[in-house]
Amino acid sequence: NAGVTQTPKFQVLKTGQSMTLQCAQDMNHNSMYWYRQDPGMGLRLIYYSASEGTTDKGEVPNGYNVSRLNKREFSLRLESAAPSQTSVYFCASLLAGRNTEAFFGQGTRLTVV
Amino acid sequence: AQSVTQLGSHVSVSEGALVLLRCNYSSSVPPYLFWYVQYPNQGLQLLLKYTTGATLVKGINGFEAEFKKSETSFHLTKPSAHMSDAAEYFCAVNTGFQKLVFGTGTRLLVSP
Repeated sequence: NAGVTQTPKFQVLKTGQSMTLQCAQDMNHNSMYWYRQDPGMGLRLIYYSASEGTTDKGEVPNGYNVSRLNKREFSLRLESAAPSQTSVYFCASLLAGRNTEAFFGQGTRLTVV
Repeated sequence: AQSVTQLGSHVSVSEGALVLLRCNYSSSVPPYLFWYVQYPNQGLQLLLKYTTGATLVKGINGFEAEFKKSETSFHLTKPSAHMSDAAEYFCAVNTGFQKLVFGTGTRLLVSP
């Protein structure tokens, strides 16, 4: 079982460059999430999609955009990367309901120089 | 807004000692609470969850947590630490409308 797949695993960008982080899940989950993880700050929610066709801002949405392409795929776009966006990014998915667990990808380590 | 607070960014124990990782929640509705574990260079995986019913919840690897409404707490415990328990642990709450919010994490260090 693939679960949640993120690409790429590592990326180095120059300030001002753009890129899209890809996420796909094969569990027929309804909800998908993007988090960033920084030392001492835990996981902070960037955007989430409660169901196909909807997206909502999380705690730290500035500088990011998302697309829920279909039920399987949820991408995160950095239009003009900044050093403050250096982080580890995790995608997660969840079946439905408040009582179900989220499944995580392996993460994308992004460095902006 | 619903949230969780984890007390202590680092906890150090000796192998065989009790593990106690603290999580307090803030919620205006009955909370749905989770503990996740993250091993180095990996994603997060579920340890256990509290939804409704029994307040003492057992999870994988010998961990358990007790939901205490009066204290707004959901602390994670394990009677005897193993070296393999060294990891970062996250408490989380599903706030409703499928918004899943995490605490800042606690790194567990286990010494021989």
